[in-house]
Amino acid sequence: AQSVAQPEDQVNVAEGNPLTVKCTYSVSGNPYLFWYVQYPNRGLQFLLKYITGDNLVKGSYGFEAEFNKSQTSFHLKKPSALVSDSALYFCAVLAQAAGNKLTFGGGTRVLVKP
Amino acid sequence: DGGITQSPKYLFRKEGQNVTLSCEQNLNHDAMYWYRQDPGQGLRLIYYSQIVNDFQKGDIAEGYSVSREKKESFPLTVTSAQKNPTAFYLCASSIPEGPYEQYFGPGTRLTVT
Repeated sequence: AQSVAQPEDQVNVAEGNPLTVKCTYSVSGNPYLFWYVQYPNRGLQFLLKYITGDNLVKGSYGFEAEFNKSQTSFHLKKPSALVSDSALYFCAVLAQAAGNKLTFGGGTRVLVKP
Repeated sequence: DGGITQSPKYLFRKEGQNVTLSCEQNLNHDAMYWYRQDPGQGLRLIYYSQIVNDFQKGDIAEGYSVSREKKESFPLTVTSAQKNPTAFYLCASSIPEGPYEQYFGPGTRLTVT
């Protein structure tokens, strides 16, 4: 069965500093990986995905993520964090062999301080 | 506007009552999903449907039921058999053949007392 781990419940970063949110995964076959962001009492917004190709994926709002097959990781990064980036971030893996179901990590809360 | 709508945003019910949460999409997506979100536990899959008139149980289907009579609609009923129904419920849709990402509605917060 597939699984996703987000080892940090919360990440604190000063505005303007680099932001990294960690994610590791386990899945049979080729991994299809996703990052979503959630603001309070709202649905999830899609940020970016890795399906195939270049290991560095660029997404919305200046975010990017690096796929590392040997370390089974897909860390989310932003070079310069904004206060408005404060939110809950979810990593997810899709298992095609399991009916295209998404399995989510537990989420990481990001707090960007001015 | 294209997207997924969920109604109502907040819902209050007494214990022992069944309640139905609405989910409608106009994205022409074949697949639709229901998730439950509890604090600190991420999202858990309740039911999903990849085509009209067909649906499968997810990881926590007990106490819930769904129907998929139209491509655009995937209502979720929380029955009185669900032991802990108070949660934030999210509906999503996707094109399962690709590009794969799921698009989410704004959610319904259900409180049962």
